[in-house]
Amino acid sequence: LAKTTQPISMDSYEGQEVNITCSHNNIATNDYITWYQQFPSQGPRFIIQGYKTKVTNEVASLFIPADRKSSTLSLPRVSLSDTAVYYCLVGLRNDYKLSFGAGTTVTVRA
Amino acid sequence: GAGVSQSPSNKVTEKGKDVELRCDPISGHTALYWYRQRLGQGLEFLIYFQGNSAPDKSGLPSDRFSAERTGESVSTLTIQRTQQEDSAVYLCASSLRTGGNEQFFGPGTRLTVL
Repeated sequence: LAKTTQPISMDSYEGQEVNITCSHNNIATNDYITWYQQFPSQGPRFIIQGYKTKVTNEVASLFIPADRKSSTLSLPRVSLSDTAVYYCLVGLRNDYKLSFGAGTTVTVRA
Repeated sequence: GAGVSQSPSNKVTEKGKDVELRCDPISGHTALYWYRQRLGQGLEFLIYFQGNSAPDKSGLPSDRFSAERTGESVSTLTIQRTQQEDSAVYLCASSLRTGGNEQFFGPGTRLTVL
């Protein structure tokens, strides 16, 4: 899996948009970008996956620039329940050995 | 079931004892994975089962760790002669696709070795 770098923590307020950027300078041609979310005392939850440009689902959007050396997870209008750790992974789509680093702890305040 | 379930949710044991952790994957998911997550740290891959194929045991940290899976259903992770460094949350995940990084996780078993 390619090495990724993301901020350790981010603070936000309810209703705001949260953007978490992940750097992955050595991403390979066939690598995908995947984000997971983990609430306290729960297992991680798959949020979104993309290869290029933009992917959107009911939870988040993923923006990937043309050079693919970084990506941004965007959480629209966060609520208190979005407080969690967010992990960025880069690797082949069939890479089943998930390996998370410390992730980004997002704290949403009222 | 609706999601991956694990039992027990918490396990406290004494150093040197054996423990067995159970995972029930989502029905129909052929792939099953075990991971370990130490407090405040990321995820460590332990083992992967896919159908009747030989499991990928490359992440097991020592021969004290073993896992079994019956067909495409329940799996058990066994840790023999537990050590304090085994204290962690043990997470199980399953997926519909063969391998792949879209995995569905259970709530984990928090193991504390005294």
